[in-house]
Amino acid sequence: DIVMTQSPDSLAVSLGERATISCKSSQGLLYSSNNKSYLAWYQQKPGQPPKLLIYWASTRESGVPDRFSGSGSGTDFTLTISSLQAEDVAVYFCHQYYSTAGTFGQGTKVEIK
Amino acid sequence: EVQLVESGGGLVQPGRSLRLSCTASGFTFGDYAINWFRQAPGKGLEWVGFIRSKTFGGTAEYAASVKGKFTISRDDSKSIAYLQMNSLKTDDTAVYYCTRDGVLTAITYWGQGTLVTVSS
Repeated sequence: DIVMTQSPDSLAVSLGERATISCKSSQGLLYSSNNKSYLAWYQQKPGQPPKLLIYWASTRESGVPDRFSGSGSGTDFTLTISSLQAEDVAVYFCHQYYSTAGTFGQGTKVEIK
Repeated sequence: EVQLVESGGGLVQPGRSLRLSCTASGFTFGDYAINWFRQAPGKGLEWVGFIRSKTFGGTAEYAASVKGKFTISRDDSKSIAYLQMNSLKTDDTAVYYCTRDGVLTAITYWGQGTLVTVSS
């Protein structure tokens, strides 16, 4: 199985400041035939299912605020929240769908400093 | 509007069985694979297994941790997918989610989840 490792496990950021989450995969997620990285980011709030934010590593899902952005390729990926808002307090997961057995990072809890 | 509703969760003793249902609406159910994931309390997300659409054979695949214990099936006439869980253990305690597709794709549609608690 592909292992996904996120860092940090938690971070506290002041309102309006930048939050950056890293995700590393144990093998590359770039599919050469379409040049796409099979990596997604989700936001999960308590008592709710995950919500898709980013797919193909950097494509924002419809309706997701543009303060959320994804970058990276190969095995190293980043989710950035450019200006943290109160409603962004949540746990964030990366997810590889390169293999049929999709795997997730352990999650990063984002809080307000 | 795409909707997925899980049901059938609850408290069950170790060693017993439970069957979860995932009832779908708002899309042509038979055209899509259905995935099952679970999330133990306070933990991350774990893939359980998926079932392909009949177009792709209708076969299922499972995580190593549940292979031989869990079985996924589907009834396209009712737009329902099932997760049959046998020989349950305490570490099967989790919220179980079904999703539309998610096989080699990101997951847009999740159910709200159903809690399974395995305890004596």
